[in-house]
Amino acid sequence: DAGVTQSPTHLIKTRGQQVTLRCSPKSGHDTVSWYQQALGQGPQFIFQYYEEEERQRGNFPDRFSGHQFPNYSSELNVNALLLGDSALYLCASSPGSTTSSPLHFGNGTRLTVT
Amino acid sequence: AQSVAQPEDQVNVAEGNPLTVKCTYSVSGNPYLFWYVQYPNRGLQFLLKYITGDNLVKGSYGFEAEFNKSQTSFHLKKPSALVSDSALYFCAVRGFSGGYQKVTFGIGTKLQVIP
Repeated sequence: DAGVTQSPTHLIKTRGQQVTLRCSPKSGHDTVSWYQQALGQGPQFIFQYYEEEERQRGNFPDRFSGHQFPNYSSELNVNALLLGDSALYLCASSPGSTTSSPLHFGNGTRLTVT
Repeated sequence: AQSVAQPEDQVNVAEGNPLTVKCTYSVSGNPYLFWYVQYPNRGLQFLLKYITGDNLVKGSYGFEAEFNKSQTSFHLKKPSALVSDSALYFCAVRGFSGGYQKVTFGIGTKLQVIP
């Protein structure tokens, strides 16, 4: 039973460029959340997708956008990259029908903006 | 707005001694509380949760946590620390906004177990 998988593992981009990160949720999970974890910080909630729609959003600018596909996989897009976007981006999945289930995390994508 | 506070950046404990990692929370309604652990260059792994019932919950790897409603705390504990417990620990609270759940994490506490 595969857990949450994220790709790529590492990514180096230049300021102003655009990036797409990908996530496949754990089997049986239909809800995907994205988090940004800067060095030395806790994960910060970016947004959550359920039934292919963004349901919740944290305090992130519109440069951060996402998508969820019918198979529940998800993408995170970041436009006009800034140096401050350098972080570990974590995808987490959960079964949307229950609120007591913990989040299952992937190992993240390490994004470096130069 | 919901929030989590982890007042200690780092906790140092000798191997074999008991450990406590502190967490306090703020959320509307009944709290759903979680502890996660993160090893270097990895995602977060679930340790334990409190939803309802007994205030002392047991989780993975011998960890347990004590829920205290009056103090809005959810401290992580282990009777005897192992060197392999050294990692980053995150407390989290789940609340609702607009009918959908949202999980908020603390800043994390680095646990260092000294041989």
